[in-house]
Amino acid sequence: DAGITQSPRHKVTETGTPVTLRCHQTENHRYMYWYRQDPGHGLRLIHYSYGVKDTDKGEVSDGYSVSRSKTEDFLLTLESATSSQTSVYFCAMSESTDTQYFGPGTRLTVL
Amino acid sequence: SQQGEEDPQALSIQEGENATMNCSYKTSINNLQWYRQNSGRGLVHLILIRSNEREKHSGRLRVTLDTSKKSSSLLITASRAADTASYFCATEETSGSRLTFGEGTQLTVNP
Repeated sequence: DAGITQSPRHKVTETGTPVTLRCHQTENHRYMYWYRQDPGHGLRLIHYSYGVKDTDKGEVSDGYSVSRSKTEDFLLTLESATSSQTSVYFCAMSESTDTQYFGPGTRLTVL
Repeated sequence: SQQGEEDPQALSIQEGENATMNCSYKTSINNLQWYRQNSGRGLVHLILIRSNEREKHSGRLRVTLDTSKKSSSLLITASRAADTASYFCATEETSGSRLTFGEGTQLTVNP
């Protein structure tokens, strides 16, 4: 998947617990993104980063935070998971604002 | 709100036939991109067309863009069973550096 990986690939957790998803890239790309994909909604942007320590909110950022302390890693944290955050999460990277390269996805289930 | 909307939502054809998918959007864009997603996988970039281009080809793919109608079409010629996937359009608006994805067209190519 073009030098971008996500971990874990599957996770089941309980409501109210904190969850951190990791995205790791080996391409030294400047931009990184977190999306969630749900039936009937397509992909929706949660947060994105345009450099180390530079992040901004997407359209569905409530309940999520991110951190990027190194170029290669972009972490997505659910401080207190809720059932509405059950989804498939995709990380992506890009060098410019054009083509994005996606990771394989993380399937998160919040019980 | 969704910027890009694909039509149809689902399309089923026979191998060898052509498949056409359409995308409409609402605001001014820098470029429009098409991605493919195989079941259970991440999205893969197919083709990008810039706002000053009207048509672009890549192998069996042909993309058109009509900025006056705010619409694009993706044509896959001589389809194969391996083309079975979901196809998404994504737009980069002139106001920002992020992509906004539509909900996708599910294409099934029957052998």
